Amino acid sequence: ETGVTQSPTHLIKTRGQQVTLRCSSQSGHNTVSWYQQALGQGPQFIFQYYREEENGRGNFPPRFSGLQFPNYSSELNVNALELDDSALYLCASHPPGGRTDTQYFGPGTRLTVL
Amino acid sequence: AQRVTQPEKLLSVFKGAPVELKCNYSYSGSPELFWYVQYSRQRLQLLLRHISRESIKGFTADLNKGETSFHLKKPFAQEEDSAMYYCALDSGGYNKLIFGAGTRLAVHP
Repeated sequence: ETGVTQSPTHLIKTRGQQVTLRCSSQSGHNTVSWYQQALGQGPQFIFQYYREEENGRGNFPPRFSGLQFPNYSSELNVNALELDDSALYLCASHPPGGRTDTQYFGPGTRLTVL
Repeated sequence: AQRVTQPEKLLSVFKGAPVELKCNYSYSGSPELFWYVQYSRQRLQLLLRHISRESIKGFTADLNKGETSFHLKKPFAQEEDSAMYYCALDSGGYNKLIFGAGTRLAVHP
C-alpha cells in the first residue's frame, strides 16, 4: 500500500460550480503533483506543490488552483466548472530529493460535471 | 513541443507470444523516460525507467535517441501482464510527467 489517499472518490457537480479535491501524501513526502486524466487519455500534469509553494504548472487555466498545507497534504480547487473538466484527478507524492521513480499515485477522484 | 506518442490503443496477443508496446517522444533535451502500468482496479505504478536499465517482470525498454523511441518489450507474455501501459517523459527532472495516451495490453490464454 502506497499510502497516498484522495477524497472524495466520486463527485458530481454542475457547470459553473466550484469543487475542491483533497490529497494526503505518503508519510515523509513533501512534494505533491496533480494530474487530470480524461477518458481514454493519459494523465496530464496540472501543477506541483513543494513546501507549500507552487513549483511548476502545466497548460491549465488559472481557475485551476491548489494549496499545500504544512503536513504536506494538498487541495486542488477548480472554479467555474466546465463540462470538459469531467475527468479522473490524480495526485502523486514524492519524497525530498525528487527522484522520479519514487513518485506514488493515489487512486484518484472521479469528477463528473453535468 | 514535448510530446509522448503511443500509436496503439490496444494490443492483443496470446500467452507466450512476444510483446512490444511502442512509444515515441519529442523532447529537445536529454530525456528521462518511464513506463507506468495500471492493472485492473489498481492505481498507476511505475514499471521501469530507462536510467535504471533493469528488467521488471520480464519487461525491458531501451532508449533509442536516434529514433526517439522507448519501446517496451517482453519475450513471452503472461495473462497477468494484461493492463494499461503508459509511456511518460519527465519534462524537467522534477517529476512533472508528460504521459502518452496509453496502450491496453490484452493477453489471451
